[in-house]
Amino acid sequence: EDKVVQSPLSLVVHEGDTVTLNCSYEVTNFRSLLWYKQEKKAPTFLFMLTSSGIEKKSGRLSSILDKKELFSILNITATQTGDSAIYLCAVNTGNQFYFGTGTSLTVIP
Amino acid sequence: DSGVTQTPKHLITATGQRVTLRCSPRSGDLSVYWYQQSLDQGLQFLIQYYNGEERAKGNILERFSAQQFPDLHSELNLSSLELGDSALYFCASSVTAHQETQYFGPGTRLLVL
Repeated sequence: EDKVVQSPLSLVVHEGDTVTLNCSYEVTNFRSLLWYKQEKKAPTFLFMLTSSGIEKKSGRLSSILDKKELFSILNITATQTGDSAIYLCAVNTGNQFYFGTGTSLTVIP
Repeated sequence: DSGVTQTPKHLITATGQRVTLRCSPRSGDLSVYWYQQSLDQGLQFLIQYYNGEERAKGNILERFSAQQFPDLHSELNLSSLELGDSALYFCASSVTAHQETQYFGPGTRLLVL
């Protein structure tokens, strides 16, 4: 059965901390892995990863994929209160999108 | 604002009823995706349409159906509603069938009583 597992489920940090969110997957046909940020409304796209070892970066956020070990990490450096959200990982198999349950990040001032 | 619009924002109905959720994709996007997000199951992919044709199918119940019209807007029909269908239903759009950068609409919150 195809599945995506995210850890931790929940994380509380202080402003300025660095966090690492994990996403592991088991799917029969991997096409890409996507990260989304969901605040109180709809998910917003962060990164799409298709190749191993190539880091995607956007400001304080970065992500990398390991297709051999079947996981991805999302790093957030110098966290801010505005980073508080649920971070979703999804895997596209070409004809399906599998989402993890998300990691809830709370950044305390 | 992603450019994807969904109506209605909220919907309250009774078990056994039928509802229709509507989605208008971003201008120029040909692909529409439907998702269901509930507290116990997270975000679940339901179905994708591309330029009017069904492109991919996820965990969509037989009581649910969707279509994409020539003007590219899409409707998700939910029938014989059950309490467990209460959820947030998102629509997303992308430029092509293979464009994985999807832009999500604000969602329709459905409550079945």
